[in-house]
Amino acid sequence: EPEVTQTPSHQVTQMGQEVILRCVPISNHLYFYWYRQILGQKVEFLVSFYNNEISEKSEIFDDQFSVERPDGSNFTLKIRSTKLEDSAMYFCASSGHREIDEQFFGPGTRLTVL
Amino acid sequence: GIQVEQSPPDLILQEGANSTLRCNFSDSVNNLQWFHQNPWGQLINLFYIPSGTKQNGRLSATTVATERYSLLYISSSQTTDSGVYFCAVVNYGGSQGNLIFGKGTKLSVKP
Repeated sequence: EPEVTQTPSHQVTQMGQEVILRCVPISNHLYFYWYRQILGQKVEFLVSFYNNEISEKSEIFDDQFSVERPDGSNFTLKIRSTKLEDSAMYFCASSGHREIDEQFFGPGTRLTVL
Repeated sequence: GIQVEQSPPDLILQEGANSTLRCNFSDSVNNLQWFHQNPWGQLINLFYIPSGTKQNGRLSATTVATERYSLLYISSSQTTDSGVYFCAVVNYGGSQGNLIFGKGTKLSVKP
């Protein structure tokens, strides 16, 4: 069964460093998302991406964040200068041919900023 | 924006017991999904249910969109059902597909 994959599973970085989180969405899906979950809290939307551009972004998704689909399979989230409060689980998700279709989530990348 | 409220926040059950988790939302929705977050943090899709009733084994879900709530039923609970259950919705006519999550119900099933 097709699934969303994410790498790495865990990333530890120093404050101020850049990180790139990688995702491979389900192959025939058209809508891509990033969410984050701070430990013990609910899952929050960061950004959605369709047709090679950002569809919507939350207020969390400020100038230090960027997304890219560099090729036909990968979808990346870059954090330019990490802060302590960026420590969280980051989930990638994808959905099919409509933005209201079921979203399937990857296993997440746990980011720890020291 | 749309509000998603889940109840109860915490639930402790003995193995074999049944339970009902509730999700209330404050506006019309295009999409409603139930997830189980396992102890490793993974979000497992349970149901995509913007309306109607679905069943999958010991789990079933019902969404009454006109009354703005959804219920998740777990029957004959097992210890492996432990974890956090999230309801998430897409607001009709609002956001472009992004899911708004509730705070979850933390379920503990004791042997």
